[in-house]
Amino acid sequence: QVQLQESGPGLVKPSETLSLTCTVSGASISGYHCSWIRQPAGKGLEWIGRMYTTGSTTYNPSLKSRLTMSVDTSKNQFSLNLSSVTAADTAVYYCARVHNYGGGVRAFDIWGQGTMVTVSS
Amino acid sequence: DIQMTQSPSSLSASVGDRVTITCRASQSISTYLNWYQQKPGKAPTILIYAASSLQSGVPSRFSGSGSGTDFTLTISSLQPEDFATYYCQQSYSTLTWTFGQGTKVEIK
Repeated sequence: QVQLQESGPGLVKPSETLSLTCTVSGASISGYHCSWIRQPAGKGLEWIGRMYTTGSTTYNPSLKSRLTMSVDTSKNQFSLNLSSVTAADTAVYYCARVHNYGGGVRAFDIWGQGTMVTVSS
Repeated sequence: DIQMTQSPSSLSASVGDRVTITCRASQSISTYLNWYQQKPGKAPTILIYAASSLQSGVPSRFSGSGSGTDFTLTISSLQPEDFATYYCQQSYSTLTWTFGQGTKVEIK
């Protein structure tokens, strides 16, 4: 079955760039639509942005100035880069597949297990 | 941005109880509303999409209703494995998608 797996450094220094990869297994990501979501410890979910394999992206306005998402279809991977990080960016980061149920209905139907990222010197 | 507000933030209930969680949108979102369950240390899983459609494999004790700005998630008979945090999420906006702040269901 389709699985998503996040990977990347668990520790990033303040002012540096957080880089994460979401590897999809079990299917080609061609035509996929993927989102990144994060969750600070003990808090709720925050939608970061979404990306199609066509390269089209939509970012959360609160993060837009620091955010870049990309896709590598040859590696079946989506990537996230968040620049100029601070302690406020410390969180578990999830990637999730956006499934189109038809009629414009979309939801996150498959999630990665999440990866913890701590911003600290 | 469309704001999503859940109530209550937490509740205590017993096995077998009927539980209702409410989600309100700051503007009409038709039925573009999804519900997720998250257990401690785990990723969320989808329960309901399009306000009332049950995701395949999800027990029928879960149901959703509503349209416009007011939505409800109901667990008809709470089971031990249902103690978790529940989130609503809107996918109406062509720009930003947002989650509610979550409702934690605890054992009474």
